[in-house]
Amino acid sequence: EAQVTQNPRYLITVTGKKLTVTCSQNMNHEYMSWYRQDPGLGLRQIYYSMNVEVTDKGDVPEGYKVSRKEKRNFPLILESPSPNQTSLYFCASSAPGQGASYEQYFGPGTRLTVT
Amino acid sequence: QKEVEQDPGPLSVPEGAIVSLNCTYSNSAFQYFMWYRQYSRKGPELLMYTYSSGNKEDGRFTAQVDKSSKYISLFIRDSQPSDSATYLCAMGIQGAQKLVFGQGTRLTINP
Repeated sequence: EAQVTQNPRYLITVTGKKLTVTCSQNMNHEYMSWYRQDPGLGLRQIYYSMNVEVTDKGDVPEGYKVSRKEKRNFPLILESPSPNQTSLYFCASSAPGQGASYEQYFGPGTRLTVT
Repeated sequence: QKEVEQDPGPLSVPEGAIVSLNCTYSNSAFQYFMWYRQYSRKGPELLMYTYSSGNKEDGRFTAQVDKSSKYISLFIRDSQPSDSATYLCAMGIQGAQKLVFGQGTRLTINP
């Protein structure tokens, strides 16, 4: 089954404790992206990757890091989480050659709470 | 001013009603217009996709784009309780590296 998977689905942590949210897709997609979803603000892009070893900032990159060492994986790293990073996070991927402007396939989401 | 504006609702209608969901945008460079549906505790999934002005129909769903007015709509005919979800409009530009999403409208269809 073609899908984007994220882990963990739910995470409660404390300020300053480094964490990683994993994202993996099995569709051989080149483009992958991370979003956060907050009430009243919709989906905002954090980082995106056009291919292996190619990453760039989205609209709200502060406090986040990413890496793309393999085509299928795109982990999101919070080196020192803060309460304002409490949010619902989505990973997405898009078909080869289409970039971001075509259909994006979303993972199930990770609900993060930072206390 | 946000690039894409969408009424967040919530919107509650009886089963069988015609639903109209709308977005306005300010960037005339947008070329692709999409509607995503997001069920509770799930990720968004693409519902409709179009790149031209006019109407596009898919079953009970019709996507309408008016580039001159910078306005897009999604119509749902014969609405069903299973249509209850949050609907997000999204727009993109060929070669750009992101989609711009509206805030989402939460829709409830009451049996």
